[in-house]
Amino acid sequence: AQSVTQLDSQVPVFEEAPVELRCNYSSSVSVYLFWYVQYPNQGLQLLLKYLSGSTLVKGINGFEAEFNKSQTSFHLRKPSVHISDTAEYFCAVSDAHQGGSEKLVFGKGTKLTVNP
Amino acid sequence: DAGVTQSPTHLIKTRGQQVTLRCSPKSGHDTVSWYQQALGQGPQFIFQYYEEEERQRGNFPDRFSGHQFPNYSSELNVNALLLGDSALYLCASEYEWGVSSYNEQFFGPGTRLTVL
Repeated sequence: AQSVTQLDSQVPVFEEAPVELRCNYSSSVSVYLFWYVQYPNQGLQLLLKYLSGSTLVKGINGFEAEFNKSQTSFHLRKPSVHISDTAEYFCAVSDAHQGGSEKLVFGKGTKLTVNP
Repeated sequence: DAGVTQSPTHLIKTRGQQVTLRCSPKSGHDTVSWYQQALGQGPQFIFQYYEEEERQRGNFPDRFSGHQFPNYSSELNVNALLLGDSALYLCASEYEWGVSSYNEQFFGPGTRLTVL
């Protein structure tokens, strides 16, 4: 069974500071990895995904993440955050072997608060 | 192009009642998944429908059932509601390109269910 651990439930940062949201996963098979963002009272929006190839993945809104297979991690980073980045961020994993439509297994989320 | 839509937006029920939530997939999508997001938690996979049949199911009791219609829209039914069923219910849709392809899931805004 797959699982995802988001190591920080809350991360407060100041505007224009860098941020890293940490994610570790557990799986016995090859995986796809995802980061989603959820703004208050909204659904989930895909920030970026790792399917294969380059371990450094760039997404929307200036976010990037690095897949580290040996450490089973997929940390999300942004060099300079804005007030508008305040939201909840979810790391998710799915089974890559099955292909097609696979369920997503989510972490519990990290609430990022950007202060002026 | 409308994305994934869900109705109603909010719903209040009492224990023991039954509820039906509805989802219309993004245009061109044929697969619908349902997730439950309890307060302060990440989404948990309930089940997935493809070609009007339940294809995968998460660890949820039989009180949770669903249906997919010929136009690919879907319903989630929950019987004998419990206080613990209070959550945001998210619907996600995708197009089934094939078992060897990655299919991106697009999420709706969710239905907030409160059980009193």
